[in-house]
Formats: sequence, C-alpha cells, structure tokens
Amino acid sequence: EAGVTQSPTHLIKTRGQQATLRCSPISGHTSVYWYQQALGLGLQFLLWYDEGEERNRGNFPPRFSGRQFPNYSSELNVNALELEDSALYLCASSLAGMESNEQFFGPGTRLTVL
Amino acid sequence: GEDVEQSLFLSVREGDSSVINCTYTDSSSTYLYWYKQEPGAGLQLLTYIFSNMDMKQDQRLTVLLNKKDKHLSLRIADTQTGDSAIYFCAEGTASGGSYIPTFGRGTSLIVHP
Repeated sequence: EAGVTQSPTHLIKTRGQQATLRCSPISGHTSVYWYQQALGLGLQFLLWYDEGEERNRGNFPPRFSGRQFPNYSSELNVNALELEDSALYLCASSLAGMESNEQFFGPGTRLTVL
Repeated sequence: GEDVEQSLFLSVREGDSSVINCTYTDSSSTYLYWYKQEPGAGLQLLTYIFSNMDMKQDQRLTVLLNKKDKHLSLRIADTQTGDSAIYFCAEGTASGGSYIPTFGRGTSLIVHP
C-alpha cells in the first residue's frame, strides 16, 4: 500500500512569490494535516482538512491556505512568501475511527525562500 | 498554553539503553506519542500511550507516563546504530473530532560504537 506522498521534494522561491505544495493521503484516509518544521523548531500545526472542509487551523497568518479535493488529496498555498517561511512542510493523513488517532506522515517538501 | 519540552541531544553507546524524556503542560491530553524521524524522511509513529495508563512496553521500547508530573519517557533497550534519529514527543488533545498533536522540538539520538 502506498504511503503519503508529497510533491515537489524541493521548492525554491523568492520573497513575495507564491508556493503550492501537494499531498496525496493513504488510500482510504479522509483527513489531511499540514505541518511546518522550521530549523530548530518542532512541528507547528498549520491546517487540518477532512471530507473536503477545513476543520482547524494553527496560529499562522491567512497567507497560508489550502484546500482538499474530492479524492482527498490536498494543496497548501503560501502567498507573499517571506524568508522565514523556509522550512520542511510535512503532510500527514489519518483514518477516522483509529484507536490511536495515528497520523501517517509523508517525506515532506523542503521550501527555500531566497 | 500547550507546550511540550524535551532535551535536544542524547548520545549513547551501542548496546546501552537510551532514555528520552519529555514534559508537557496540557493536563487534558488524552494521547501521548513518540515519533521517530530519520534523515530525509517524514515522521513515523513508534508508540503511543493513553493518558490513563502509566506504562506500555513494545519489544525494545518502554514508555512511562507520570501524569501527576506530566512527564513522559521513552526507553530503548539495547540501542543500535539504526536507532540514530530524531525522536519527537507529542501530546494529543481532542479538537473538533480529531486529535491535533502538539509536538516537542525533538531529541537527536546519536548512537556510537
């Protein structure tokens, strides 16, 4: 069974540009989570999508947005990029009803803002 | 607010036991997790414990939870070089029907021969 996939692996942008990151969850998983892992910091929760709707968002400005498609894949958009947006962006998916509420993570997209 | 803290580095010799410690502040935590991140990879769930348990053992892994002190530890017996990775402690609290974990900054475990 394929795991969570993310694309692209690396993304280089300049300040002020927009970045789009993509995530495909494990087949059958309806929830997708996005996290930012900046150097030296833990994972910071960004967004949670379930059944096509945004269910929760972390403490990030509105220029961080996203959506979930009918096939449960998801996009994260970051507008007006700033240098401090440089980080590893991790996507995770989960299956409703699992006892542990385990999240399965993808390998991440490394975003570099110059 | 919520906060999860853990030491940044731990160095052990191959064959010894490793103990990674974590403290958290949210007393309403329901699940506590340990994730492992190898270089260039995403996080992988190692084990988890319900907040009403005080110990869980899974092969070489032992998780101890002191709910009164909000202290969680992960013990890896007979540590191997393949255990070298970053270990994240996380606590999960129900939010809108899911458990959005709050992660610590991770402990880099270095295993040397």
